[in-house]
Amino acid sequence: DVVVTQSPLSLPVTLGQPASISCRSSQSLLHGDGNTYLNWYQQRPGQSPRLLIYKVSNRESGVPDRFSGSGSGTEFTLKISRVEAEDVGIYYCMQGTQWPPGMYTFGQGTKLEIK
Amino acid sequence: EVQLVESGGAVVQPGGALRLSCAASGFTFDEYAMHWVRQAPGKGLEWVSLITWDGDSTFYADYVKGRFTISRDNRKNSLYLQMHSLRADDTALYYCAKERDRSILKWGQGTLVTVSS
Repeated sequence: DVVVTQSPLSLPVTLGQPASISCRSSQSLLHGDGNTYLNWYQQRPGQSPRLLIYKVSNRESGVPDRFSGSGSGTEFTLKISRVEAEDVGIYYCMQGTQWPPGMYTFGQGTKLEIK
Repeated sequence: EVQLVESGGAVVQPGGALRLSCAASGFTFDEYAMHWVRQAPGKGLEWVSLITWDGDSTFYADYVKGRFTISRDNRKNSLYLQMHSLRADDTALYYCAKERDRSILKWGQGTLVTVSS
């Protein structure tokens, strides 16, 4: 099974400053179809998760352009160019490459808070 | 607008059973695979199960395999999760979610399952 590991697990950031979250997988997430199915989610306090980034670097509709994703193979990064108060929450990466047998795996989550 | 509304969560004793439902609207339900994902209190997200658009194929995480059954009724735009032999570590908020191209695009608000004596 693919293990996905995030770091850091806690990320205090000053408003207006950049933030970066790392996601590493135990196996390459490059699929035979040429796509890499690594997604990023945001979960604000008390809310359901929301898709931010799909296939490494594609921003979902409505996601501010201060969010960006990058990476390849086994190493991926979510960056926020300038953190705003509404960005507080937990961020998860999730791999969808190892399918079938259909087991998607999430990272442990990174809690972003304002200093 | 896409809406996913879960129901059926409850307090159940260890070893008990429960059936969760998810009512979908705002999209063509029978064109999409669907997931259940859970989140234990104060913990991270944990994928549970997936069913293909036509219901012909189902997949489960190892920790629920043999105990949980995912199903769907495309005529009713509904997704289900039948849970048996529930354990304390199954306690979680269970989300119904819509698949898109190996991502989970849309999540419901969740229904809480508490396994406790």
